[in-house]
Amino acid sequence: GEKVEQHESTLSVREGDSAVINCTYTDTASSYFPWYKQEAGKSLHFVIDIRSNVDRKQSQRLIVLLDKKAKRFSLHITATQPEDSAIYFCAASPSSGSWQLIFGSGTQLTVMP
Amino acid sequence: NSKVIQTPRYLVKGQGQKAKMRCIPEKGHPVVFWYQQNKNNEFKFLINFQNQEVLQQIDMTEKRFSAECPSNSPCSLEIQSSEAGDSALYLCASSLSDWGREQYFGPGTRLTVL
Repeated sequence: GEKVEQHESTLSVREGDSAVINCTYTDTASSYFPWYKQEAGKSLHFVIDIRSNVDRKQSQRLIVLLDKKAKRFSLHITATQPEDSAIYFCAASPSSGSWQLIFGSGTQLTVMP
Repeated sequence: NSKVIQTPRYLVKGQGQKAKMRCIPEKGHPVVFWYQQNKNNEFKFLINFQNQEVLQQIDMTEKRFSAECPSNSPCSLEIQSSEAGDSALYLCASSLSDWGREQYFGPGTRLTVL
């Protein structure tokens, strides 16, 4: 089955810098890739997603890149702010089946003022 | 912001006891998912429904776990005989029924099995 690997377990950046979180997946059938943010003691909050028919998507300060050949996708947070500090999870879902998400192990992002 | 409602927020049970948690999906979302997030931030998909029908479930849920999504009632996930290894955050999510739709998560039920 699908496995999603999230490469950075922790990431620290200065306020205003960019942060990049990288994930790889194993199943070529996966074609939907969402990202979630989890603040301490809270649930998962959807932030952005990308589908396999595009290789880039931007929503305000968030950019997601997808490289299907390398089976890699990444989240870029530009102009980081302290409130961006949280755990970020990448996930993948195959286009067939029951739409379940396979999650990465999470990246603790700390934005230092 | 997600409007998925989960109750209770915290649940403490002894080993062998039943543990039941409930979920009300967002209005208009026919697909409901249950996931388990352990203390190491590892997620496990448990089961999902489209309306009242099971779409997929893992082997674990076929034994001690049971779940249902009756019409006009909250969805529920029940562990028949809790074990220490079941201690985790149980997350309910809902979505529209097309592929590649965002899943919106509830606040979770944190189960502690003593």
